[in-house]
Amino acid sequence: DVKVTQSSRYLVKRTGEKVFLECVQDMDHENMFWYRQDPGLGLRLIYFSYDVKMKEKGDIPEGYSVSREKKERFSLILESASTNQTSMYLCASTTEVRGRGTEAFFGQGTRLTVV
Amino acid sequence: GNSVTQMEGPVTLSEEAFLTINCTYTATGYPSLFWYVQYPGEGLQLLLKATKADDKGSNKGFEATYRKETTSFHLEKGSVQVSDSAVYFCALSLISNFGNEKLTFGTGTRLTIIP
Repeated sequence: DVKVTQSSRYLVKRTGEKVFLECVQDMDHENMFWYRQDPGLGLRLIYFSYDVKMKEKGDIPEGYSVSREKKERFSLILESASTNQTSMYLCASTTEVRGRGTEAFFGQGTRLTVV
Repeated sequence: GNSVTQMEGPVTLSEEAFLTINCTYTATGYPSLFWYVQYPGEGLQLLLKATKADDKGSNKGFEATYRKETTSFHLEKGSVQVSDSAVYFCALSLISNFGNEKLTFGTGTRLTIIP
């Protein structure tokens, strides 16, 4: 059974803290993504990575960075957490494109509250 | 840019009712189209997809047809069940400059089925 695992289901952090969200996939997928999910806004892409040590900005990268040192692990970093980063964070992975319509596999999400 | 517009929720239906959730898209190029579903407390999972015009995706009694002329991919089910209560996301994907497929999501439609 394919799996994308996020390290925490719920996190509460203080404003200004450095926050790490971890994601691990066991499918040997090349591509990994971080989204945030907010009511009325759907899923918005923060960063993605198509290879180890490679990263690209998504639609809303400000205030975030990422790290991909190993193929199976993709970390999202909030350098200095702020209350407007309170959200549900979803990690996803896909295999290298062989055709169209590649399925994305998602983790269960991390609900982050910044107080 | 690329975007997906889907029916505002929430939608509440009685069991065995007919369901339609509208989805239209704007894309620069020829996208693949998806419906993802998010059950309470879980990440997203693929419900169905279509990769070319006039293709019909189907799964678990749900169907959607890729209509290029109306740029639409409406989700339908003939008889809904309580277990279909979830949030439904319409999405499109296009090949990015990095060779992977990049997903763009709609805002999601929360569906509640009452017995």
